[in-house]
Amino acid sequence: AQKVTQAQTEISVVEKEDVTLDCVYETRDTTYYLFWYKQPPSGELVFLIRRNSFDEQNEISGRYSWNFQKSTSSFNFTITASQVVDSAVYFCALTPSGGSYIPTFGRGTSLIVHP
Amino acid sequence: NAGVTQTPKFQVLKTGQSMTLQCAQDMNHEYMSWYRQDPGMGLRLIHYSVGAGITDQGEVPNGYNVSRSTTEDFPLRLLSAAPSQTSVYFCASSSGGIQPQHFGDGTRLSIL
Repeated sequence: AQKVTQAQTEISVVEKEDVTLDCVYETRDTTYYLFWYKQPPSGELVFLIRRNSFDEQNEISGRYSWNFQKSTSSFNFTITASQVVDSAVYFCALTPSGGSYIPTFGRGTSLIVHP
Repeated sequence: NAGVTQTPKFQVLKTGQSMTLQCAQDMNHEYMSWYRQDPGMGLRLIHYSVGAGITDQGEVPNGYNVSRSTTEDFPLRLLSAAPSQTSVYFCASSSGGIQPQHFGDGTRLSIL
């Protein structure tokens, strides 16, 4: 069975602070994919990034960056210079590469950015 | 660009009633899924489909039924609504099992 843990239930920061959202996973599969999704207060779910288990290269997209460390089974998400518009619930998810491809989502981290 | 369309957006039911949540996608995606979102529980998979005519159970399938007669549509049926099924329901589709999912806007369902 696979498991995704987002230990931070809620994070509160002030605008312009950097913030890191943690994601730790467990899986017996050797090949898998990791995802981050954003759910703003309006409620829709938006895909942010996908990373496969063979690619440990970190990725940066504007103020967003992702650190994938297979050795610690972590796929952390950092927002640099946070803005009020970053306020949302962020979900980490894992999908095995093969079999039923059933994804497992973490419980989400609610990020509140205060002006 | 419709993407994934869910109807209705809101619904209130009485215990024991049945209803169908509709989901349609126009991206020709093979994979479709239904999730429920409850406070503090994240997204839990109810049922999924890997193509027309093929469905399977997810993590929390009890009390729900699905069918997939076309690529575009994946309705979710509540057979006899219970208060425990009060939740926000999301339908999602993707072009493959390892591809990002495209979500509908959700259906907020309350069961009294």
